Amino acid sequence: GQNIDQPTEMTATEGAIVQINCTYQTSGFNGLFWYQQHAGEAPTFLSYNVLDGLEEKGRFSSFLSRSKGYSYLLLKELQMKDSASYLCAALNAGNMLTFGGGTRLMVKP
Amino acid sequence: DSGVTQTPKHLITATGQRVTLRCSPRSGDLSVYWYQQSLDQGLQFLIQYYNGEERAKGNILERFSAQQFPDLHSELNLSSLELGDSALYFCASSPRMGGGHDEQFFGPGTRLTVL
Repeated sequence: GQNIDQPTEMTATEGAIVQINCTYQTSGFNGLFWYQQHAGEAPTFLSYNVLDGLEEKGRFSSFLSRSKGYSYLLLKELQMKDSASYLCAALNAGNMLTFGGGTRLMVKP
Repeated sequence: DSGVTQTPKHLITATGQRVTLRCSPRSGDLSVYWYQQSLDQGLQFLIQYYNGEERAKGNILERFSAQQFPDLHSELNLSSLELGDSALYFCASSPRMGGGHDEQFFGPGTRLTVL
């Protein structure tokens, strides 16, 4: 089966750094995605990791440890517009994406 | 704007009814995916079509069906609607058959309300 766990809510301050964790259990793991979703809008792609390690993309970085079934999304220099839900999703061998419940991030001034 | 279009944007209907949601993928994309997002369930994969053929099936109810047409647009049919079917329905598309390096682009969604 598939299981994705991530915190429900987080709060951080503008300009700070925040790390959103995700643990997963999936059969035939084929990679880990992070998506950003503003309320009532479509999810937008942030990152994809299939190998262990850190992928950096501007203010956002994503890390994967396959042996631990663990990933995190790191957001630096937080801006108010980063207030959104962040969805962790694992891809299985059948190319099916299983999403976690999402982490609602609130950025405060 | 992802390039994926969905109609209608909002749909209000009654229990027991049937509705059709429509999705046009990005130009050149061959795969279409349907997802349901409700408040208590998060984003749930329903079904994927690739170049007109069903490719993968998730937690799709028997009351729901989908198809992808020769012009690659897709329709999701929901019948015998129940209150619990109220949700946001997203369509996504990707260039290829799916997989890690085949990023999915999401449409704006159709908000279905069943009264």
